[in-house]
Amino acid sequence: QVQLVQSGAEVKMPGASVKLSCKASGYTFTTYAMHWVRQAPGQRLEWMGWVNGGNDDSRFSLEFQGRVTISRDTSASTAYMELSSLTSEDTAVYYCVRTLAGTYRPDYWGQGTVVTVSS
Amino acid sequence: DIQMTQSPSSLSASVGDRVTITCRASQGINNDLAWFQQKPGKAPKSLIYAASSLQSGVPSKFSGSGSGTDFTLTISSLQPEDFATYYCQQYNSYPYTFGQGTKLEIK
Repeated sequence: QVQLVQSGAEVKMPGASVKLSCKASGYTFTTYAMHWVRQAPGQRLEWMGWVNGGNDDSRFSLEFQGRVTISRDTSASTAYMELSSLTSEDTAVYYCVRTLAGTYRPDYWGQGTVVTVSS
Repeated sequence: DIQMTQSPSSLSASVGDRVTITCRASQGINNDLAWFQQKPGKAPKSLIYAASSLQSGVPSKFSGSGSGTDFTLTISSLQPEDFATYYCQQYNSYPYTFGQGTKLEIK
C-alpha cells in the first residue's frame, strides 16, 4: 500500500535551516510528483512547492523564494524540503503530498512533521 | 495570487443532514479545484479533484460542483465521522492557494 513517511519533529533556532524528508513506498516513485504544504498553528494550509519524482523539475511559491529547496533522491524514493533563514513564522506542521506527475490529483499525504522555531 | 474564500467559516449541523460549503476564487480557475477534509491533529485527506471528481475510496456522499469562480462541496447524510474542517484549493496558477477552511460542527 502507498505510504509517505515523514521525518521526525525538529526544533530550530531562528536563522537556522531545516531539511525534512518524505520517504515513499508502495508505488513507482518516478511516476509521481511530491508537493509540500505547511500549516501554521490555527492557520490555513499553505502550498510551498513540488518536485517531479522522475526528473529534476521543481517549482516553489515565490513566498519562499531564496529560502526553499525541494529535491528528491530516486534511489531512496525520498523527497526533501529544505527551508533556510527560519523565523518564528516558519513554526508549522509540514506535509508532503503525492500527485500524479504532469497533473494535479493529490491523493496520499504524509503524517506531517512539526517544525518549531524558537530561541 | 488567486484568493480563495470559503463560506461559511463555520457550520453547525446534525447527523443525517445534508450540507453545502461554498468556495469562491478571486478570478476564473476553470475546474482546477480540489477539496480536502482535515480532522484535529491529523493530516488532511483528499476528497475531490477537478472540482467534481471523487478520489478513489471516497464515499459518494461527497460531491463537488462548479467551474470558473464558484464551487460547492456537498455532503449528504452527515455521519459523526464527517465533522471536520474542509478546505478548497485552486491549482490553476501558481502559487496554489487554499481557502481559509470551513469548520463543520455537530449541532
